[in-house]
Amino acid sequence: EDQVTQSPEALRLQEGESSSLNCSYTVSGLRGLFWYRQDPGKGPEFLFTLYSAGEEKEKERLKATLTKKESFLHITAPKPEDSATYLCAVQAWETSGSRLTFGEGTQLTVNP
Amino acid sequence: SQTIHQWPATLVQPVGSPLSLECTVEGTSNPNLYWYRQAAGRGLQLLFYSVGIGQISSEVPQNLSASRPQDRQFILSSKKLLLSDSGFYLCAWSHPGNIQYFGAGTRLSVL
Repeated sequence: EDQVTQSPEALRLQEGESSSLNCSYTVSGLRGLFWYRQDPGKGPEFLFTLYSAGEEKEKERLKATLTKKESFLHITAPKPEDSATYLCAVQAWETSGSRLTFGEGTQLTVNP
Repeated sequence: SQTIHQWPATLVQPVGSPLSLECTVEGTSNPNLYWYRQAAGRGLQLLFYSVGIGQISSEVPQNLSASRPQDRQFILSSKKLLLSDSGFYLCAWSHPGNIQYFGAGTRLSVL
């Protein structure tokens, strides 16, 4: 069974204070690892897909990295508008219907 | 470009009443479609997915059912709502093996 564990559950940062969110996973053959951002009361918004260990992707202040066991979402010099819940999900090769297994998310709060 | 519509945005229903939530996708054909439920402060739980018209797979035994009467339409239903059915319901679509894109969600409160 595929499993995704995200840590920490919640993170408070001061504006400009860089940090990282962790996503540990176990999957029988990783097809892709996905990062989403979710604002309160809204649907998740796609951020990144990573496919193989060593891959990195960047978007503004966010950078996602992938190893064989975990992924990190690095946030550099965050701003209050980066406050949201960040969700990690994995997709296995043999999963029918291209299903995703999600973690519980990390709730990020960036204070001005 | 593709868009996904989900309605209603909020819904308050009494226990024992029926439910029908609708999701439609525009700008693509033969998408995979998904229904998720999210409890407050938690991750997403996959309820149903569909790879084609009339093809529904259920992930969690429960009081809900899903149907796909048309290629880009996905409906979540219940004959009698329970208190435990309250939550945030999300519809998503993808091309096979690709990124899932989510709708805005429906907040369901069962009282």
